[in-house]
Amino acid sequence: GDSVTQMEGPVTLSEEAFLTINCTYTATGYPSLFWYVQYPGEGLQLLLKATKADDKGSNKGFEATYRKETTSFHLEKGSVQVSDSAVYFCALKGAQAGTALIFGKGTTLSVSS
Amino acid sequence: EPEVTQTPSHQVTQMGQEVILRCVPISNHLYFYWYRQILGQKVEFLVSFYNNEISEKSEIFDDQFSVERPDGSNFTLKIRSTKLEDSAMYFCASRRETQYFGPGTRLLVL
Repeated sequence: GDSVTQMEGPVTLSEEAFLTINCTYTATGYPSLFWYVQYPGEGLQLLLKATKADDKGSNKGFEATYRKETTSFHLEKGSVQVSDSAVYFCALKGAQAGTALIFGKGTTLSVSS
Repeated sequence: EPEVTQTPSHQVTQMGQEVILRCVPISNHLYFYWYRQILGQKVEFLVSFYNNEISEKSEIFDDQFSVERPDGSNFTLKIRSTKLEDSAMYFCASRRETQYFGPGTRLLVL
C-alpha cells in the first residue's frame, strides 16, 4: 500500500541555519503531497502542497518540490527561526477522490537562538 | 478565515465508559475525517464520511467506534467502551480540495 517515510528526528539547528527534512513516498499513480506542521500544543496546519510532478509548494519561506523520478518531497528552508520549532509531517493523498491522508512519522525541529 | 473546531479540548474518562468527540467542519466542505495520534507516534487515519455515510475506514475503526452527522453542522466520533489504548489526540478534518484539521481533542483513558 501507499506509504511515507520521513527522516528521523529530532533535528536541532541554530537560528538562520539551512533546513532540509527528507521525505520519500511509495504510491501507485500520481498522489498529491503535503507538508503539515504541528506547533507545541496545537493541531495540524497545512504548510504547503504539490499536486503533480515538478510542482513546487512554498509557504512562509519553506519549499518542497514534487520529484516523481526520486519519489521525494523534501522540505527546505534557507534560514530557520526559533518560531519554526515544531513537528513536521509529510503526507500523501492517493490519486482516487476521497481518500485519506497517509502521514509519515513526523520530524521534530528544534531551533535555538 | 473559516476553521474546523473541536470540543472538548481535553477529556479524561474511565475505561469502559462511552465518549463522544465533537467537531464542526468548515461549512462548505463535503468530506469529513477522523484521525488519531497516539503520543509520540504518527497520525493515523480512522474514518472518512461523505454524503451522510462512511466512505472509507481503517482497521483501527472497529465496532467500538461510530461516526454521525446529527445535524447540518456537527460531526461526531463515538467510542462505545473506551480502552486504555484509546488514549490519544483525536483530530477532525474536513475538505473540499485540501484537508483542514481541527486543533484536536486529547483523550485520556484511565
